[in-house]
Amino acid sequence: GENVEQHPSTLSVQEGDSAVIKCTYSDSASNYFPWYKQELGKRPQLIIDIRSNVGEKKDQRIAVTLNKTAKHFSLHITETQPEDSAVYFCAATPRGGGTSYGKLTFGQGTILTVHP
Amino acid sequence: DGGITQSPKYLFRKEGQNVTLSCEQNLNHDAMYWYRQDPGQGLRLIYYSQIVNDFQKGDIAEGYSVSREKKESFPLTVTSAQKNPTAFYLCASSPSTQGTTEAFFGQGTRLTVV
Repeated sequence: GENVEQHPSTLSVQEGDSAVIKCTYSDSASNYFPWYKQELGKRPQLIIDIRSNVGEKKDQRIAVTLNKTAKHFSLHITETQPEDSAVYFCAATPRGGGTSYGKLTFGQGTILTVHP
Repeated sequence: DGGITQSPKYLFRKEGQNVTLSCEQNLNHDAMYWYRQDPGQGLRLIYYSQIVNDFQKGDIAEGYSVSREKKESFPLTVTSAQKNPTAFYLCASSPSTQGTTEAFFGQGTRLTVV
């Protein structure tokens, strides 16, 4: 099945700096890659996603890049703010037959801390 | 709030007991999922269902059971066979059975074995 590795596990930055979180996936047939943000005590919420037919997607201060050949994708947050502090999860959806179809596999999570 | 509701928010279980976690959605989503969240291990898939009366095991299904008798409901039972059940459990739903659209999460149930 699909395996998603996420790095780093913790990331500490100063307000205004950029933050980058990287994920690799194992199944070359995966075609959907969402990123979720989970604030302390709250549910994960989608912040951005990308499909395999696109190499990059931006939404204000956040962007995601996808390298299908290398099977990795990254989340970029620019001009970080203290309210960006949270746990961020990447995920991938493998395609194919059998029980893996439609199954969303998450990375281990990154704890981002933005210091004022 | 978000259309997907989990209950209870906190649950305490004695060793050897089965407990059932509720998950209800009014989003008319076809797919529903159960994840377990432990510190440092991300979200691990327990079970998922793409259609009523059908479900598949995820990566850590041992000691858990589910049912999908109604589209809106996907309850998870933590059985006594689950050796380390203390965790945060998240239910999610998605309009797509292909897993290629946003998954919406419930607020979670924190289960503690006492």
